[in-house]
Parts: sequence; structure tokens; C-alpha cells
Amino acid sequence: GDSVTQMEGPVTLSEEAFLTINCTYTATGYPSLFWYVQYPGEGLQLLLKATKADDKGSNKGFEATYRKETTSFHLEKGSVQVSDSAVYFCALSEMGRGDDKIIFGKGTRLHILP
Amino acid sequence: GAVVSQHPSRVICKSGTSVKIECRSLDFQATTMFWYRQFPKQSLMLMATSNEGSKATYEQGVEKDKFLINHASLTLSTLTVTSAHPEDSSFYICSARDQGGVVEQYFGPGTRLTVT
Repeated sequence: GDSVTQMEGPVTLSEEAFLTINCTYTATGYPSLFWYVQYPGEGLQLLLKATKADDKGSNKGFEATYRKETTSFHLEKGSVQVSDSAVYFCALSEMGRGDDKIIFGKGTRLHILP
Repeated sequence: GAVVSQHPSRVICKSGTSVKIECRSLDFQATTMFWYRQFPKQSLMLMATSNEGSKATYEQGVEKDKFLINHASLTLSTLTVTSAHPEDSSFYICSARDQGGVVEQYFGPGTRLTVT
């Protein structure tokens, strides 16, 4: 079945450091890919998405490129801030199957030190 | 943007009682809503898919008689945890798909349930 694998955390970085959170997926079809962010005590917010190969999703300085050849959707940010501290979830959804379940990775907790 | 609300945000109940959690789409109509459960420091586990006017579809291993789901309108779905026990304590999150949408789901802020 479909699955998402992302790097385990926690990831601790200093402010203004470069961030990469790796995410790879397995899917039977052509999924849409997402990154969600969960701030402490809150629900999930969509951070960015990409719906087809080579698409780049971007938001709030974060970006991720849909790489079909490597089945990856790594999240990057050039200069992180303390306010980026949160849990980040990589996810996929295959609408074409007739359902729209979202399959989530286990999440990566990010701590940014001032 | 699309907003999904949940009520209550936190609830504490005694073992053996039932608790109802509401999920509302505030500015769009949602033919499909989803209920997830999240354990501490873990990912979201899909519990069930709720379609307006029909019975919910439960994921394998989720007790449908314990977690009652009702999707009575295009803007409201409810999850009732019946005869709650301490092991039901968790963070419950709903999401909704816009009736006209294709891919994206919008998530509520979650409800933290504590059963004592």
C-alpha cells in the first residue's frame, strides 16, 4: 500500500541555519504530495503542496519539489526562525483511486534555537 | 481561506460516559469529512471517512459502535466517543474536503480528550 517515510526527529538547528527534512513515498499511482505543519497544541495547517512531477510547492520561505524519479518531496528552507519550531508532516493523497485519504508520515519535530 | 472548527477544544470526562465532538466547515460545504486520532508525538491515524447523508466508512481496527460518526449536513459532522475509557484519551482532529475541491483537505484545530 501507499506509504510515506520521513526523517526522524527531533531536528535541532540554530536560527538562520539551512533546513532539510527528507521525505520519500511509495504509491501505486500518481499522488499529490503535501507538507503540513503542526504548531504546539494546534491542528494541522497545510504548508505547501505539489500535484505533479517537477512541481515546486512553496510558502513562507519553505519549498519542496516533487521528484518522481526518486519518489521524494524533501522540505527545505534557507534560513529558519525560532517561530518555525513545530512538527512537520509529509503526506500524500491519491485522488484518482476514488477516495481521497491522506497518508501521513510520522512527523519530524523541529526545534530552532535563538 | 477555508476554515474548519471543532468544539470543544478540550474536554475531560469520567470513565464510562460519552463525549460528543463537533466538526464544522465554516465557509464552505463539505460532502466528505475525515476523523483522525493522534497519539503523543505520533502521526495522525485515520479513523473514519464521513459522507453527508450516509454511513461513515471506518478504517480497519476502529470500533464503529464505540466511535459513532454522524454527518447530518454539508457543514457538520460529529464524533461521539461512547463509554469512554482512559485509553481513549487522545487528540482528535477532523478535516473536511470542499465540495468543489479536488485534492485539498482542511483541518480543524483538534480536540483534546482526557478520560479520568
